[in-house]
Amino acid sequence: AQSVTQLGSHVSVSEGALVLLRCNYSSSVPPYLFWYVQYPNQGLQLLLKYTSAATLVKGINGFEAEFKKSETSFHPTKPSAHMSDAAEYFCAVSGRGQGAQKLVFGQGTRLTINP
Amino acid sequence: GAVVSQHPSWVICKSGTSVKIECRSLDFQATTMFWYRQFPKQSLMLMATSNEGSKATYEQGVEKDKFLINHASLTLSTLTVTSAHPEDSSFYICSASSGWVGGGTEAFFGQGTRLTVV
Repeated sequence: AQSVTQLGSHVSVSEGALVLLRCNYSSSVPPYLFWYVQYPNQGLQLLLKYTSAATLVKGINGFEAEFKKSETSFHPTKPSAHMSDAAEYFCAVSGRGQGAQKLVFGQGTRLTINP
Repeated sequence: GAVVSQHPSWVICKSGTSVKIECRSLDFQATTMFWYRQFPKQSLMLMATSNEGSKATYEQGVEKDKFLINHASLTLSTLTVTSAHPEDSSFYICSASSGWVGGGTEAFFGQGTRLTVV
């Protein structure tokens, strides 16, 4: 079964600083990986995803992430944090192929941006 | 991206009553819909997966008779919390997909429903 672990339940950075979120996966075969952003009292919005087309993927809001099989990681970064980036971020994993319907979510990382 | 509309956004009900939450895919056909529960400052817990026209598949530990899920059409799924109690108070989120998530098809999320049982 697939699982993901998000390192750091809370990340705090200054406005304009680099944002780094961390997600490691556990899977017997390379899975599909997703990052979602959730603003207070709202649903989830896809931030970026890895589905094997390319290991470096660009997402919304200036985020990008590189899938590293050797490190079983998928860490999004953003060069310069903006106040609007403050939100909860979730990493999720799914298996591949028909029958792999479920997304399994990590524990979440709350990103705080300091002015 | 595609739009998933969830209604109501919030609801308060009395203990012992039932509450229905609707999840609609507005601009695509959702062959699969998912229902999640989220406790404050926690992650999403998958409750059940439903495919259009089929019975929902519930996750272990989720009471089928308490959380009734209906996916009668390709654009609508409903979650009914029967005989609600204060411990059922939570944030419920639906998600919809037009294909297999395992095939790389994106799942789109509704805006969530905050249920408070008093």
